[in-house]
Amino acid sequence: DAKTTQPPSMDCAEGRAANLPCNHSTISGNEYVYWYRQIHSQGPQYIIHGLKNNETNEMASLIITEDRKSSTLILPHATLRDTAVYYCIVREGRGNKLVFGAGTILRVKS
Amino acid sequence: GAVVSQHPSRVICKSGTSVKIECRSLDFQATTMFWYRQFPKKSLMLMATSNEGSKATYEQGVEKDKFLINHASLTLSTLTVTSAHPEDSSFYICSALLGTSDNEQFFGPGTRLTVL
Repeated sequence: DAKTTQPPSMDCAEGRAANLPCNHSTISGNEYVYWYRQIHSQGPQYIIHGLKNNETNEMASLIITEDRKSSTLILPHATLRDTAVYYCIVREGRGNKLVFGAGTILRVKS
Repeated sequence: GAVVSQHPSRVICKSGTSVKIECRSLDFQATTMFWYRQFPKKSLMLMATSNEGSKATYEQGVEKDKFLINHASLTLSTLTVTSAHPEDSSFYICSALLGTSDNEQFFGPGTRLTVL
């Protein structure tokens, strides 16, 4: 079973930052937070992951709270092509299977 | 980045026939691949973990005799849907594990199966 809770949908204006929240209150000390997204009828795409510290890459930033019970994925300047389902997943270690929850449908509007 | 392909991208078959879907890691070797199924407007559900040279590990509720998985080489895993029925119509997605990267799992583009 998925160990995360996400809002079912969110809207964001094009060019603005999209902030996608995720609750993972039962996360254990050795579990990472991963974010993937799935554009309609395509395979999921990796975005970013983290353990304790905030992380940033060319796609997004990941902010993890100090108690690690929640996190926020930030797309700094959303475009129409960022419209997708965003999945927040917690996973122990490396190489273990990913369990997908329902995700958040992000709609970026012009 | 690592690329995973699937073939075919779409397949339509008659009820009772078998369909084989291929998953290939194009530029890396993958000892482990995963197979997922996704119904319309639903999330991905893990079906099985495929390990090169050994039997696949199936998730609870997935019939191993119906969904045959063969991971014969480090770059190829196949999923065969045997005696397909309309309820098997779905989007099948594979992923491959790249052991040297924190990112690790790279997903294929998916195969749309329609059983008439």
